[in-house]
Amino acid sequence: NAGVTQTPKFRILKIGQSMTLQCTQDMNHNYMYWYRQDPGMGLKLIYYSVGAGITDKGEVPNGYNVSRSTTEDFPLRLELAAPSQTSVYFCASNPDEFWDMTGNQPQHFGDGTRLSIL
Amino acid sequence: ELKVEQNPLFLSMQEGKNYTIYCNYSTTSDRLYWYRQDPGKSLESLFVLLSNGAVKQEGRLMASLDTKARLSTLHITAAVHDLSATYFCAVKYYGGSQGNLIFGKGTKLSVKP
Repeated sequence: NAGVTQTPKFRILKIGQSMTLQCTQDMNHNYMYWYRQDPGMGLKLIYYSVGAGITDKGEVPNGYNVSRSTTEDFPLRLELAAPSQTSVYFCASNPDEFWDMTGNQPQHFGDGTRLSIL
Repeated sequence: ELKVEQNPLFLSMQEGKNYTIYCNYSTTSDRLYWYRQDPGKSLESLFVLLSNGAVKQEGRLMASLDTKARLSTLHITAAVHDLSATYFCAVKYYGGSQGNLIFGKGTKLSVKP
């Protein structure tokens, strides 16, 4: 069981370039999330999705876009890369919390994508 | 808006000693999570705390939740080097259309012989 898989693991971009960070999960989770982690900081939510076709903004959505065409995949797109977007990006998933009455379903995280923009 | 504060942010301990990490949050929530992150790695779930007075223990780590005080603690007993990592608390926030996690800045723990 692979869990949450992110690609690529590392990437260097030039200012103004665009790229897509891939995230896929094989646990049939409805909820998926994208976070960024800046050095010495906690994670901040960029976008999230509660199911295929449904996405919503988190705390720091500016400069990013997402789509959710399938349950498994939740790609994050940077259109015009800026130095401020240098960060480590984590994708996460968990089951539909409405059905999780025990609350014992923490978010499962991928290994992260380390992105530098120069 | 929910704010989550952890302290201390850095903690250097000797093996065998006890210590507590604190997590305060600013508005009502019904779920609090503790995660561990090793350098260059992803986040690993440690505990999920759901109710006032909840206490969970795993090995040398024990987490508790006081929803009235909006405070969670992560207590380390007889620390060993393998516990060296960064520990995050995260609180479920229902201020938007769906609940999202708000993370603290993390506590970087270093356990020395």
